Amino acid sequence: RKEVEQDPGPFNVPEGATVAFNCTYSNSASQSFFWYRQDCRKEPKLLMSVYSSGNEDGRFTAQLNRASQYISLLIRDSKLSDSATYLCVVWDSNYQLIWGAGTKLIIKP
Amino acid sequence: GAGVSQSPSNKVTEKGKDVELRCDPISGHTALYWYRQSLGQGLEFLIYFQGNSAPDKSGLPSDRFSAERTGGSVSTLTIQRTQQEDSAVYLCASSLVGSQNYGYTFGSGTRLTVV
Repeated sequence: RKEVEQDPGPFNVPEGATVAFNCTYSNSASQSFFWYRQDCRKEPKLLMSVYSSGNEDGRFTAQLNRASQYISLLIRDSKLSDSATYLCVVWDSNYQLIWGAGTKLIIKP
Repeated sequence: GAGVSQSPSNKVTEKGKDVELRCDPISGHTALYWYRQSLGQGLEFLIYFQGNSAPDKSGLPSDRFSAERTGGSVSTLTIQRTQQEDSAVYLCASSLVGSQNYGYTFGSGTRLTVV
């Protein structure tokens, strides 16, 4: 089993729809969690951290479920510019991030 | 600098040649990471530096790969006797303290093509 697993997609979603991704992690001792966004042929960029109580940043909502060991990302009112690969990242020690392989999102007009 | 700077941005080399990739992290960032990403794949961890020391080299795929960091700043990743399977984008990232509360800032990568 991979340490961090994501559905690779692609998710094909019409503009304006709501889309959600899940990511599961294997190490119950993991402490910190992040969502990154990567555009085609570009470097990953931090989208948002994921806090225990859940957090929201505009149209984006991140949640953590420690009991089931997964994190989620919800995108509301999706825009064409949201098309990208979304990477789930888990801090599995005090110096190393473990990366999921990413979920590809395609927003259609 | 304002961001993480990597050079060269693109490198084409012949099989068997050595290459050196450079990463200049954000000023003051003590933690520096090298990752590799093959086309359509996720990120593969290579090595981590805290200051000039590398507590974790477990991701280096073979002894042809080595990395160093001097002055707690610039890092170089060297690949000796390059092979075609080394072709990938090599990404460098830095973090302020390498602690759990911070994400990373990535450079734009070096796209290595071994022909």
